Amino acid sequence: DAGVIQSPRHEVTEMGQEVTLRCKPISGHNSLFWYRQTMMRGLELLIYFNNNVPIDDSGMPEDRFSAKMPNASFSTLKIQPSEPRDSAVYFCASNLWQGPYNEQFFGPGTRLTVL
Amino acid sequence: AQSVTQLDSQVPVFEEAPVELRCNYSSSVSVYLFWYVQYPNQGLQLLLKYLSGSTLVKGINGFEAEFNKSQTSFHLRKPSVHISDTAEYFCAVSDPGGSQGNLIFGKGTKLSVKP
Repeated sequence: DAGVIQSPRHEVTEMGQEVTLRCKPISGHNSLFWYRQTMMRGLELLIYFNNNVPIDDSGMPEDRFSAKMPNASFSTLKIQPSEPRDSAVYFCASNLWQGPYNEQFFGPGTRLTVL
Repeated sequence: AQSVTQLDSQVPVFEEAPVELRCNYSSSVSVYLFWYVQYPNQGLQLLLKYLSGSTLVKGINGFEAEFNKSQTSFHLRKPSVHISDTAEYFCAVSDPGGSQGNLIFGKGTKLSVKP
């Protein structure tokens, strides 16, 4: 199994530009999570989906952030317009939620730098 | 709401010394507990987990953790660390009765092993 795949691994953009991060979860998993990691705030859950439906987006910082999961094998996190304070590492994780055991499998992350 | 406290943000130790990374959680109900490890420039990977049963849990790379319900703690230990154990360690908790797949992470402890 290839694990959770994220692209791009690194993204450098200028303030005001649109940024799209992509994630392919592990085949057969039914939940997908987007996290943001910064030095100041640590690891924060932004949003998660179950069976392609957003369940909790209370962690999305602002309306500039949006996430979609059009099918079971693909999700995007979009920032429009981007700002320097959005610079962080963004992780995608997935799991097969069949009950209370919730081990999550993480992708390698996308390091975003907004200039 | 659930919360996880990792008391030490950084722990420096010498190679072959023992180490304990502390984790406390806030919950009066049964929970599942996890330790994840993040090596430099990588995603998080599961080190060990406590679901039920024996309070002493053994994980990969010689790590173990002990669940203490009365103290709401889940401290991570290793009797003799290696240089390769240098990484950031995250404690996480899930609520078996809560939202599917959601994990609450601590802010992490950076373990630095020196020769």
